[in-house]
Amino acid sequence: KAGVTQTPRYLIKTRGQQVTLSCSPISGHRSVSWYQQTPGQGLQFLFEYFSETQRNKGNFPGRFSGRQFSNSRSEMNVSTLELGDSALYLCASSLPRGTGGRSPLHFGNGTRLTVT
Amino acid sequence: AQKITQTQPGMFVQEKEAVTLDCTYDTSDPSYGLFWYKQPSSGEMIFLIYQGSYDQQNATEGRYSLNFQKARKSANLVISASQLGDSAMYFCAMRESNNNAGNMLTFGGGTRLMVKP
Repeated sequence: KAGVTQTPRYLIKTRGQQVTLSCSPISGHRSVSWYQQTPGQGLQFLFEYFSETQRNKGNFPGRFSGRQFSNSRSEMNVSTLELGDSALYLCASSLPRGTGGRSPLHFGNGTRLTVT
Repeated sequence: AQKITQTQPGMFVQEKEAVTLDCTYDTSDPSYGLFWYKQPSSGEMIFLIYQGSYDQQNATEGRYSLNFQKARKSANLVISASQLGDSAMYFCAMRESNNNAGNMLTFGGGTRLMVKP
């Protein structure tokens, strides 16, 4: 079974630009979550999508947005990039929590974004 | 207040010895789950082990086991017979079961484990 696939692996952008990251979940997983990982703030939850609806959102500005498609694939978008947005962005997929709390989140390899 | 605390930023362990990585948590939710993940330098997050708050026994998965002390709100990861490939960052995470939590995980700051040959 294929794991969570994130593209691209690396991105270099300039301040003020926007960026779109993609995530394909494990087949059958309908919940997709996004996390930002930085040396200073650690791992922080961005948002979760389930059945094309945002179910939960972390404490990030509106420049960070996402969506989920009918095939459960998800994208996140960051507009007006700032230097502080440089981070590893991790996507995770999971079975819905209601199917049993034991279902772990399975993470992709991440997209490393560098903003210059 | 920190919900997940990992007090050991870095640890060394001799190859083939056992090591315990500490994790304490804070929640008022009676139903929650605790996870441990391993993150090698490549960046991927690898799921290791899960403990549910109502589980009667400590979780075990191969060389990984959880020392779960609910009253103390601690869920320490024990790695037996350390191997060089165990060198990585280790994260403790919690998923609460209130309606707003969904599949959101709260992570600790991590512990960098270095296995010495």
